[in-house]
Amino acid sequence: GAGVSQSPSNKVTEKGKDVELRCDPISGHTALYWYRQSLGQGLEFLIYFQGNSAPDKSGLPSDRFSAERTGGSVSTLTIQRTQQEDSAVYLCASSLDHNQPQHFGDGTRLSIL
Amino acid sequence: QQQVKQSPQSLIVQKGGIPIINCAYENTAFDYFPWYQQFPGKGPALLIAIRPDVSEKKEGRFTISFNKSAKQFSLHIMDSQPGDSATYFCAASTSGSRLTFGEGTQLTVNP
Repeated sequence: GAGVSQSPSNKVTEKGKDVELRCDPISGHTALYWYRQSLGQGLEFLIYFQGNSAPDKSGLPSDRFSAERTGGSVSTLTIQRTQQEDSAVYLCASSLDHNQPQHFGDGTRLSIL
Repeated sequence: QQQVKQSPQSLIVQKGGIPIINCAYENTAFDYFPWYQQFPGKGPALLIAIRPDVSEKKEGRFTISFNKSAKQFSLHIMDSQPGDSATYFCAASTSGSRLTFGEGTQLTVNP
């Protein structure tokens, strides 16, 4: 596809379980970003990848959150031992390079029961 | 200092009206200011963006006005249509790094 693809689109899980969220950026885009959107906090930055390295991971809220990117393409965001406050829409964006416009996917809506 | 303040929180206009959404920032290192439009269940879509070396930019019915000395920028939507009803976010970044978003404005354009 032409745009940023995220999967799953919806995820419901029980508190304490681990979840993995996937992002397929636009082909050729070297920069990849994860954001979180929730009612109380708005849109918050989580982590930024340039290629496979993460020069800025300062937005990750706790050590339960981690992310990786392989082959300079697909990225996965992992949340361990999920808590109810992790419920949010997790958005991925990519850009041609770090100084280019960011294009967003439609997100994964995560609900923790 | 990293915040971007956006107002109003919600806005209702009639078709053909010109809604104006305002944003203010503190961090003078910000050098890129995009606006995003978001429909329910969708991700934010880039509308228009400006850098601080210009005071105004137009793309179709959308105009950004930028006041560097006041550290403010605004979005104007000319001849607004019901299809423009969405949530609008301003944002700012430094040299293409993470985006810092405003709180969002829910726009309703009545027929």
